[in-house]
Amino acid sequence: QKEVEQNSGPLSVPEGAIASLNCTYSDRGSQSFFWYRQYSGKSPELIMFIYSNGDKEDGRFTAQLNKASQYVSLLIRDSQPSDSATYLCAVRVPGGYQKVTFGTGTKLQVIP
Amino acid sequence: DAEITQSPRHKITETGRQVTLACHQTWNHNNMFWYRQDLGHGLRLIHYSYGVQDTNKGEVSDGYSVSRSNTEDLPLTLESAASSQTSVYFCASSETSGSYNEQFFGPGTRLTVL
Repeated sequence: QKEVEQNSGPLSVPEGAIASLNCTYSDRGSQSFFWYRQYSGKSPELIMFIYSNGDKEDGRFTAQLNKASQYVSLLIRDSQPSDSATYLCAVRVPGGYQKVTFGTGTKLQVIP
Repeated sequence: DAEITQSPRHKITETGRQVTLACHQTWNHNNMFWYRQDLGHGLRLIHYSYGVQDTNKGEVSDGYSVSRSNTEDLPLTLESAASSQTSVYFCASSETSGSYNEQFFGPGTRLTVL
């Protein structure tokens, strides 16, 4: 079982819809969770960070964490074509100090 | 503005040659990381460093080495390049600050080994 798993997609949503991206992790003791966005040919950039159970909102983005079920999700409201990118989930595991483990990413396509 | 740079941005080399990829950051971060990114594998950690003279192996370290002689630089060396090392390489850095440790990524180096 991979430490961090994501559906590779592509996930296609129409413009204006809600995009829901999911990530599961294997180590129950994992502490911090990150969502990075990566445009084609570019480097990843952090868009959300969460470490407590529940929801965290930032503009059109909401990160949801459920430690009991070991999943973290990212919701993008009012999706725009500019949101089309690959979204990488990253998890900091116990004992990993400053290291994080990345999932393989989900490619999102927002259709105008 | 602080930044993290990588050079070269593109490199073509031959099997068996030694190659060094440069990474330079002006964030004054203690932590630096090297990843490779391949289709279907996502970002995989090669080596990392938590400070000067500190280096550690990641999950895919075979055939690679790093050295940290100052805070700003973490060069990645491929001892004897292999075709399996054709990939996009990203350097990243982060500060040490509790639970929040965003990694800032460089622009990447696309390496082709023929």
